[in-house]
Amino acid sequence: GESVGLHLPTLSVQEGDNSIINCAYSNSASDYFIWYKQESGKGPQFIIDIRSNMDKRQGQRVTVLLNKTVKHLSLQIAATQPGDSAVYFCAENIFQGAQKLVFGQGTRLTINP
Amino acid sequence: DTEVTQTPKHLVMGMTNKKSLKCEQHMGHRAMYWYKQKAKKPPELMFVYSYEKLSINESVPSRFSPECPNSSLLNLHLHALQPEDSALYLCASRESGGTGLDTQYFGPGTRLTVL
Repeated sequence: GESVGLHLPTLSVQEGDNSIINCAYSNSASDYFIWYKQESGKGPQFIIDIRSNMDKRQGQRVTVLLNKTVKHLSLQIAATQPGDSAVYFCAENIFQGAQKLVFGQGTRLTINP
Repeated sequence: DTEVTQTPKHLVMGMTNKKSLKCEQHMGHRAMYWYKQKAKKPPELMFVYSYEKLSINESVPSRFSPECPNSSLLNLHLHALQPEDSALYLCASRESGGTGLDTQYFGPGTRLTVL
């Protein structure tokens, strides 16, 4: 689901399936984007990043897609595992006196066995 | 190694107490950040230090006072907090202190409860 609104969107998938988490960002001047995974009681963990001059970047089991025309970012996780259950945040980087991140609202991903 | 450490892990304090949160990184990163995170919400930026100087203060109340004693350490001094200040306080660091584009790495956070 998209990370908008006041509630935390949720996404449930079966173990082994692929998942897609979407994010709408707000600032057309954003030049760098990061996806973080946050497990309960822990700090956000870096997953993958992408610069604004790219539209796709792949990591291990993860792919980030960037559509600057509609200001949309997505995270694809292949062959999901129970350990992928967490809250996923997108973050856009902007410069306002210093480099800073503005986070999306987050999506809770649950992997069903 | 991309480790940012924070102490304490948990902190309970009264509204008249003075306490400090500590953050440390030994990656040679030149920018350090404090965030506040409420339950089921994204992290909200509080302060940014670049090259040990305060670069951004996101209109944070003065009962929160940041300090960067050196390039590896970041403190957050707390005084006369309110119960609504209870949250997870996250520290992050980034390699470049200037305009370079690079990742912020987060610590595990300090869970603060104000009674």
